[in-house]
Amino acid sequence: GDSVTQMEGPVTLSEEAFLTINCTYTATGYPSLFWYVQYPGEGLQLLLKATKADDKGSNKGFEATYRKETTSFHLEKGSVQVSDSAVYFCALRFYGQNFVFGPGTRLSVLP
Amino acid sequence: DTGVSQDPRHKITKRGQNVTFRCDPISEHNRLYWYRQTLGQGPEFLTYFQNEAQLEKSRLLSDRFSAERPKGSFSTLEIQRTEQGDSAMYLCASSPSPDTQYFGPGTRLTVL
Repeated sequence: GDSVTQMEGPVTLSEEAFLTINCTYTATGYPSLFWYVQYPGEGLQLLLKATKADDKGSNKGFEATYRKETTSFHLEKGSVQVSDSAVYFCALRFYGQNFVFGPGTRLSVLP
Repeated sequence: DTGVSQDPRHKITKRGQNVTFRCDPISEHNRLYWYRQTLGQGPEFLTYFQNEAQLEKSRLLSDRFSAERPKGSFSTLEIQRTEQGDSAMYLCASSPSPDTQYFGPGTRLTVL
């Protein structure tokens, strides 16, 4: 079945460091791809998405590009802040079907 | 606050007891989802409503689980005869469209 794999956490960075969180998927076909973020004590919220190959999703300084050749959707940010500390979930969804989430990657940003 | 709310936030119960959770979605959203999340894992789909109709239910969902959404507004998820393996975070999400979901804070269930 369809699945999403993410790099294991926790990821610990200093403020202003560059962030990459890897995400790869296994699926037959080309799903839409998503990154959701869960801040401490809050519900998951959509961070960004891309619906077709080569699309780039971006929001709040985060970016991810849909790479069908490598079946990847890596999350990047050029300069992280303490407020970015959260758990990040990569997910996929085919039209008419439900979301499949990865296991999440915890990010801790130190001042 | 106009987000998704869930009640209770925490529930501790003994094995064999029944529990019920409530989700209040964002009022204009007609889609409502329930997920289960265990430690170190992402949300796992349980069931989905469009308005009051339950359109999909995960094959992983035991017969001990039942969900309702009367009148297409709030929803309840009931677990009968709880087992220790039911311990998890139960998440509700509402959605105005298939690609965008707004999650509640979750109900953490501990079965002793």
